[in-house]
Amino acid sequence: GQNIDQPTEMTATEGAIVQINCTYQTSGFNGLFWYQQHAGEAPTFLSYNVLDGLEEKGRFSSFLSRSKGYSYLLLKELQMKDSASYLCAALDSNYQLIWGAGTKLIIKP
Amino acid sequence: GAVVSQHPSRVICKSGTSVKIECRSLDFQATTMFWYRQFPKQSLMLMATSNEGSKATYEQGVEKDKFLINHASLTLSTLTVTSAHPEDSSFYICSARDTSKDTEAFFGQGTRLTVV
Repeated sequence: GQNIDQPTEMTATEGAIVQINCTYQTSGFNGLFWYQQHAGEAPTFLSYNVLDGLEEKGRFSSFLSRSKGYSYLLLKELQMKDSASYLCAALDSNYQLIWGAGTKLIIKP
Repeated sequence: GAVVSQHPSRVICKSGTSVKIECRSLDFQATTMFWYRQFPKQSLMLMATSNEGSKATYEQGVEKDKFLINHASLTLSTLTVTSAHPEDSSFYICSARDTSKDTEAFFGQGTRLTVV
């Protein structure tokens, strides 16, 4: 079956760095997305990886290892507004998104 | 990035009535649109995939007669919740794929439906 695993909740301190991991098993693979979702709102796109390696975009970076079925989202210089849920989603061979349950990130002052 | 507009953002309706939600791609042609539903404290669940000009493909357990999806043009897909009941109250979100980019999906703002 198809499956996405990511931690349910993480806590970090303002100004610090946090890494949110995601492992996936899908029927075929066409890329890995990370989305940010604040409570009551639709998810917003953060990153897309289809090749192995690290993609850096400002304070956020995303890494992919296709051979390991593994990705992580790295958030630097954490701000209070980064408190949100972070969703990992893999695109399968039919171009459908397989979603993880999301990681709730709590930022403390 | 590309823009997907979803309307309305919030709607309250009476039990037994029908509600239509629109999803428009504003600056790109979307041959494929996805409709999701989010239950409280859970991840987004894919309901159906709609391809322009053809019938939608529904996920297992989703009632196609209850959740009518139309994708008649390259920029518009609609989801109609028919004979709504309180248990249909949820957050509905659409996303669309930009055919020129082939893989990236963009999301609408979401619609919070409350059935009273």
